[in-house]
Amino acid sequence: EDKVVQSPLSLVVHEGDTVTLNCSYEVTNFRSLLWYKQEKKAPTFLFMLTSSGIEKKSGRLSSILDKKELFSILNITATQTGDSAVYLCAVEAGLFKAGTASKLTFGTGTRLQVTL
Amino acid sequence: DGGITQSPKYLFRKEGQNVTLSCEQNLNHDAMYWYRQDPGQGLRLIYYSQIVNDFQKGDIAEGYSVSREKKESFPLTVTSAQKNPTAFYLCASRLGADGYTFGSGTRLTVV
Repeated sequence: EDKVVQSPLSLVVHEGDTVTLNCSYEVTNFRSLLWYKQEKKAPTFLFMLTSSGIEKKSGRLSSILDKKELFSILNITATQTGDSAVYLCAVEAGLFKAGTASKLTFGTGTRLQVTL
Repeated sequence: DGGITQSPKYLFRKEGQNVTLSCEQNLNHDAMYWYRQDPGQGLRLIYYSQIVNDFQKGDIAEGYSVSREKKESFPLTVTSAQKNPTAFYLCASRLGADGYTFGSGTRLTVV
């Protein structure tokens, strides 16, 4: 059974702090790892990672994947109150089969609260 | 604007009733998905569909049914057989190797 574990479950930081969110996984036939931000309703896409060691960056957010250690981190620097959300990690796995949709397995998420 | 529309946003159901949640996308995406989210838990896959008239069970399909008669639409029916249907339901779609796009969800409450 595919498994995705996120840590910590929740985190409270002060504005301006840097945070690191963790995601480890055990899946068969790994294809990609995705990070999402969920504030109130729909998760919004942050990053998709497929290769080890290549950092993806978007503003103050960055993420990297380690396929040997089966691990990914999401970094947020200079946090702002608008970063408060649940951050979801999901792994896409399975053999590619024409005409068959892939599946995502989600972790439980990390709830981040940024205070003034 | 292209996107995924879920309706209704809030739904109340009496025990023993079937209800259908709507999911429509105008993104021309092939694959569509239904997830359930409970407090403190990640999203769990209910059903997914790669093409019209074809769909597969996800990890928690019991008590649910779907149809995919049109590419744009993937409605989810929560049947009376679902023992604990109160949850937040998210629909998603995907085109090829791109990331998934989510709708804004339907919160279903059994009263």
